[in-house]
Amino acid sequence: EAGVAQSPRYKIIEKRQSVAFWCNPISGHATLYWYQQILGQGPKLLIQFQNNGVVDDSQLPKDRFSAERLKGVDSTLKIQPAKLEDSAVYLCASSLTDRGQETQYFGPGTRLLVL
Amino acid sequence: GQNIDQPTEMTATEGAIVQINCTYQTSGFNGLFWYQQHAGEAPTFLSYNVLDGLEEKGRFSSFLSRSKGYSYLLLKELQMKDSASYLCAVPRYNQGGKLIFGQGTELSVKP
Repeated sequence: EAGVAQSPRYKIIEKRQSVAFWCNPISGHATLYWYQQILGQGPKLLIQFQNNGVVDDSQLPKDRFSAERLKGVDSTLKIQPAKLEDSAVYLCASSLTDRGQETQYFGPGTRLLVL
Repeated sequence: GQNIDQPTEMTATEGAIVQINCTYQTSGFNGLFWYQQHAGEAPTFLSYNVLDGLEEKGRFSSFLSRSKGYSYLLLKELQMKDSASYLCAVPRYNQGGKLIFGQGTELSVKP
């Protein structure tokens, strides 16, 4: 079974530039998450989708971050404009609920460096 | 609110046993996850505990005590490839699957 796919794997940009990340979840997984993981910390949730609807975006800095999942499959996360503190790994995860247990499966992440 | 604490780093010897502890404070409880994350890679699912006790999966076991807000991950017969960060995570109660992660425990396995 193919896992969660993300691209690009690495991105270097200058502050105030824009950047977009793409995620393709595991086939059939209705729930998709974007996390931000700063070096030395655990992942922090940015946004959660259920199919093409937003379930929770309370932790998303909406002045500069946006995300969409228009057809309920692939998702994109955008940062515009980027700040130095946005340097992190951006992880996409999708989940499946089996017998009441929801398990999240993570993609390889996009490592962003803002200079 | 929710809070998760785990040690920042641990060192152990190849072939030995290591226990990585995690304490949590949550309003409500929906289970606890352990993930393994190698440097530069995605977290991979190791275990899920929702009832008290020990769950064993090969060389890895996970223990939960809900009354104490405590879990541990036990790694036996350590191998060099077990060097990784181990993340403890709990779902936000009644908020779907949103996971709150601890900072991770960086385990170094030495020969």
